[in-house]
Amino acid sequence: QSALTQPPSASGSPGQSVTISCTGTSSDVGGYNYVSWYQQHPGKAPKLMIYEVNRRPSGVPDRFSASKSGNTASLTVSGLQAEDEADYYCSSYAGSNTWVFGGGTKLTVL
Amino acid sequence: EVQVVESGGGLVQPGGSLKLSCAASGFTFSGSAMHWVRQASGKGLEWVGRIRSKANNYATAYAASVKGRFTISRDDSKNTAYLQMNSLKTEDTAVYYCTRAPQDYGGNQYYFDYWGQGTLVTVSS
Repeated sequence: QSALTQPPSASGSPGQSVTISCTGTSSDVGGYNYVSWYQQHPGKAPKLMIYEVNRRPSGVPDRFSASKSGNTASLTVSGLQAEDEADYYCSSYAGSNTWVFGGGTKLTVL
Repeated sequence: EVQVVESGGGLVQPGGSLKLSCAASGFTFSGSAMHWVRQASGKGLEWVGRIRSKANNYATAYAASVKGRFTISRDDSKNTAYLQMNSLKTEDTAVYYCTRAPQDYGGNQYYFDYWGQGTLVTVSS
């Protein structure tokens, strides 16, 4: 159960778009359409932003979108806003009733 | 309003035991699978384990790092899930979150929609 690989950091100016990648293997990201993304502000609990690769829960702005190609999933935040500054984690079902998270990406809004 | 509240964290010596509780309200707890996820200070999230609903025989699953040492259980009459942690190691030091999968079947069992605020477990001598 190795952690999924995310870039440690990403950044963009207000109004710009930024994409965060999440690379796994054919045993997790590539093998299932069960990738989800979570936003975590400092000292707070994670918040679900995307599930089943590209589906947004109600209440999550449509500025957040996601996709998957092969063993890599991606989260795109468009029209960056100051409140988007947070840590972002991807997660995937990894088979055999196990789940795996990415190492997290710190998104900075410049 | 959905609420998930963890409790029971604290300081414990290496080799010791601790039992965390996760009290839930605002949703049908008995029909939900409940997961535990932990986060060491300044580190990423790590999935710990899961317990399914009665309909799925309260099946449990664990991460390799805790298998054989941690046990998840639940009391549906109290809307509470538990994480019994034995043979604790310093590397188990983390904030432990309880979280719910929206359904205990189909595609909605593979992500986590409601999270508690976490409880801190510190393993140190």
